[in-house]
Amino acid sequence: GAVVSQHPSWVICKSGTSVKIECRSLDFQATTMFWYRQFPKQSLMLMATSNEGSKATYEQGVEKDKFLINHASLTLSTLTVTSAHPEDSSFYICSARNPQGTTDTQYFGPGTRLTVL
Amino acid sequence: GDSVTQMEGPVTLSEEAFLTINCTYTATGYPSLFWYVQYPGEGLQLLLKATKADDKGSNKGFEATYRKETTSFHLEKGSVQVSDSAVYFCALLTGGFKTIFGAGTRLFVKA
Repeated sequence: GAVVSQHPSWVICKSGTSVKIECRSLDFQATTMFWYRQFPKQSLMLMATSNEGSKATYEQGVEKDKFLINHASLTLSTLTVTSAHPEDSSFYICSARNPQGTTDTQYFGPGTRLTVL
Repeated sequence: GDSVTQMEGPVTLSEEAFLTINCTYTATGYPSLFWYVQYPGEGLQLLLKATKADDKGSNKGFEATYRKETTSFHLEKGSVQVSDSAVYFCALLTGGFKTIFGAGTRLFVKA
């Protein structure tokens, strides 16, 4: 079946540095990818919708300059957390829409755990 | 706006007990409904889905029926196992292809 991968699976960084997280659709081309954030023992909150070849659409309250999203190809979207701070520590999950499937075919990546010291 | 409400956990059951996790939704139009499961330290996995009213999604012994009249999509399993211990998320897919998640319900199954 369709697989979405994320890299890295976990990362620890120092406060003030930037971290890039990759999301790849491995066996289909995804025109749309989504980025979610999950705090410990909480639900997933949609951060932004990433469309290939265009600017990402951010949800209300999400700082676009803080969380840079690039969807440069049909199989890759990246999320860069700029000038990370401890409060950015979270579990980041991406998902990809498979346009070849039914309209509600969405596949989730395994997530990336970010810890900012 | 669209939203999903599911019962608070944690839910603690003994092995072979019957499981129900309630989920209700608010949405415009006719969304698709999902249950996702997240095992400790892992990402989300689609458990089952239903795309229209009266549809029943099922997988691994879990079932949920799309009830338009009560705007509900309750998850059930007749006999839980220890391996079912996880967090379960009810979710809907909006017309704009955004997934709205419930808060999640943590299930503990004791041997």
